[in-house]
Amino acid sequence: TQLLEQSPQFLSIQEGENLTVYCNSSSVFSSLQWYRQEPGEGPVLLVTVVTGGEVKKLKRLTFQFGDARKDSSLHITAAQPGDTGLYLCAGPTSGTYKYIFGTGTRLKVLA
Amino acid sequence: EAGVAQSPRYKIIEKRQSVAFWCNPISGHATLYWYQQILGQGPKLLIQFQNNGVVDDSQLPKDRFSAERLKGVDSTLKIQPAKLEDSAVYLCASSTRTGFNTEAFFGQGTRLTVV
Repeated sequence: TQLLEQSPQFLSIQEGENLTVYCNSSSVFSSLQWYRQEPGEGPVLLVTVVTGGEVKKLKRLTFQFGDARKDSSLHITAAQPGDTGLYLCAGPTSGTYKYIFGTGTRLKVLA
Repeated sequence: EAGVAQSPRYKIIEKRQSVAFWCNPISGHATLYWYQQILGQGPKLLIQFQNNGVVDDSQLPKDRFSAERLKGVDSTLKIQPAKLEDSAVYLCASSTRTGFNTEAFFGQGTRLTVV
């Protein structure tokens, strides 16, 4: 069974701090997506990483796909209260192409 | 472009009752997903359709849950009878295809409370 484990599970930081969230699997994924979900809403896509070693930047957010395509990270620079939310990694499993989600990281940025 | 539409937004039922959720995906999206999300956790895939065929339903509790996607467009998810542990948000999503580089787009979800 392919799983996506995220760490940390919870993170509470002060505005202006930097943070990194991790998404790990024992299986290879052809691509990984990162989503952010706010209370009462569905997840919203932030980015897709496809190539092993790929780095993508979205303003203050930096996403990296591991060389072996088994892990990914999300780094936020100078976090702001608007970054608060549930961060989820997700991807299609090999073979069956089931689209599965990670366990999630709940981030709270305090003003 | 209209997004994924779900209804109802909220539903409260008693245990052992039945309930149905409806989803209208983004026009032209071949793949439709139903997820169950327990508060604070990542969504768990219940069933994945490609057009009107089932790609995966391995985590769908088939003794009480059923889903259909008629004509490869709209979909309904039914629970009968409901249990307390079914309380969750049920998310519907769609994507243009299944597989490599899939990007799923989500509805707002239906929050189910079973009392």
